[in-house]
Amino acid sequence: DTAVSQTPKYLVTQMGNDKSIKCEQNLGHDTMYWYKQDSKKFLKIMFSYNNKELIINETVPNRFSPKSPDKAHLNLHINSLELGDSAVYFCASSQDLAGGRDTQYFGPGTRLTVL
Amino acid sequence: QKEVEQNSGPLSVPEGAIASLNCTYSDRGSQSFFWYRQYSGKSPELIMFIYSNGDKEDGRFTAQLNKASQYVSLLIRDSQPSDSATYLCAVGRNRDDKIIFGKGTRLHILP
Repeated sequence: DTAVSQTPKYLVTQMGNDKSIKCEQNLGHDTMYWYKQDSKKFLKIMFSYNNKELIINETVPNRFSPKSPDKAHLNLHINSLELGDSAVYFCASSQDLAGGRDTQYFGPGTRLTVL
Repeated sequence: QKEVEQNSGPLSVPEGAIASLNCTYSDRGSQSFFWYRQYSGKSPELIMFIYSNGDKEDGRFTAQLNKASQYVSLLIRDSQPSDSATYLCAVGRNRDDKIIFGKGTRLHILP
C-alpha cells in the first residue's frame, strides 16, 4: 500500500529523447509536487498542483511539462532530454499546499540518467 | 533570493551523544519550519515541524526555533547508528508559496 508511487524507478536514455515519469498518490491529498534532487543532493521544487490547478511553476525549462489528469496523479513529461537533466526526480503530495503547515509525503524517486 | 543554509557536514557524533544540527534562513517572513531525514538512496521523510519560537520535543528529537535570529535547529538525544542520514531543513512562508530546502547536513553516528 504505497502512499506515493512513481514509475519508473530508474530511467536511462539518450540525449534528445522524450520521456515521461508517472506519479500516483492514494492518500486523498489535494496537492502534488515535482522536485528535482541533483548530484549534490539539493532538493528543489519544480511544480506544484492543487486540485489539478498549477500553483507553483519554478524557473524550469519549458521542455518540462507537468500534467495532472486528476487529483491523485501528476505526471512529468520531458522533451529533448539534456545531460543536465540527470538527477533524481521526486514526486510528493500533501493535504493542502505545504507552504502553509502541511506535511509532504515523498515518493521513492526516479533516477534519470541522460547519456 | 530566499535561502536556507545548512552546514553540509559530515557531522560525526559518538553513539549515545547529542547530535546538534543547525539551519539559518534569509526570509524574515517565514512561518513554517520542517526537518526531513533522508537515508542514502531513499526519499525524504518528515521527522519534525515547528511554527512557534521555542522548543518542541518529540521522543529523542527536539526542534528549536528562534525567529529573531532566523535560526532553527534539531537536537537528537541518545544518538543511534540508525540516525545516520542527511537531515534537510525546509522553510515555508505561506500557504501558496513554495517550501525551500537547505542542502542538508550529513550526520554520521559512530558506533
